[in-house]
Amino acid sequence: SQQGEEDPQALSIQEGENATMNCSYKTSINNLQWYRQNSGRGLVHLNLIRSNEREKHSGRLRVTLDTSKKSSSLLITASRAADTASYFCATVGIQGAQKLVFGQGTRLTINP
Amino acid sequence: DAGVIQSPRHEVTEMGQEVTLRCKPISGHNSLFWYRQTMMRGLELLIYFNNNVPIDDSGMPEDRFSAKMPNASFSTLKIQPSEPRDSAVYFCASSLGLAGAYEQFFGPGTRLTVL
Repeated sequence: SQQGEEDPQALSIQEGENATMNCSYKTSINNLQWYRQNSGRGLVHLNLIRSNEREKHSGRLRVTLDTSKKSSSLLITASRAADTASYFCATVGIQGAQKLVFGQGTRLTINP
Repeated sequence: DAGVIQSPRHEVTEMGQEVTLRCKPISGHNSLFWYRQTMMRGLELLIYFNNNVPIDDSGMPEDRFSAKMPNASFSTLKIQPSEPRDSAVYFCASSLGLAGAYEQFFGPGTRLTVL
């Protein structure tokens, strides 16, 4: 299916360390998006990377895309307690209604 | 900008009752999405409107679910009759254009509990 699958399902690290979350998918995509969800809140868009792009940076966030491996990664550098949240990748296929299909997410915990 | 507004934030109802969830998208956005989030199934797209017209309702689980968008600034999701398995958090989101091309802005969600 098109749905992205995040890995790991849960990640716990110390404040200041880097956090890497991965997303794999099965079918060709138009773009891939990363979202963050704090507990009890709605999702917040972090980044959109198109199929012809390989890497994007935004502050402490770095997103990579490898279409040959059908995978993406989200790296958060110098993590902070406020980064504690669930992180979702969402893929947009190249056919059909081009809707976002979300993965199950990675639960990231930053320990102070 | 106030962002996407949803009401109510919490709803507790009994099985068989009608439930109506409301959403006001960000002004100027022409796409609106209804999602449902549960622990078991994650985040699922229920229906997607573009310029007030339903584009994809393949995620609507049953005929008990219906959604309308009478104008660019308002949408409803109705469940009639409600069942305990409908308990979930329902999110509304909006974007500037077609689903895949733009980031989506999510509302705070409505937590629905059906007893």
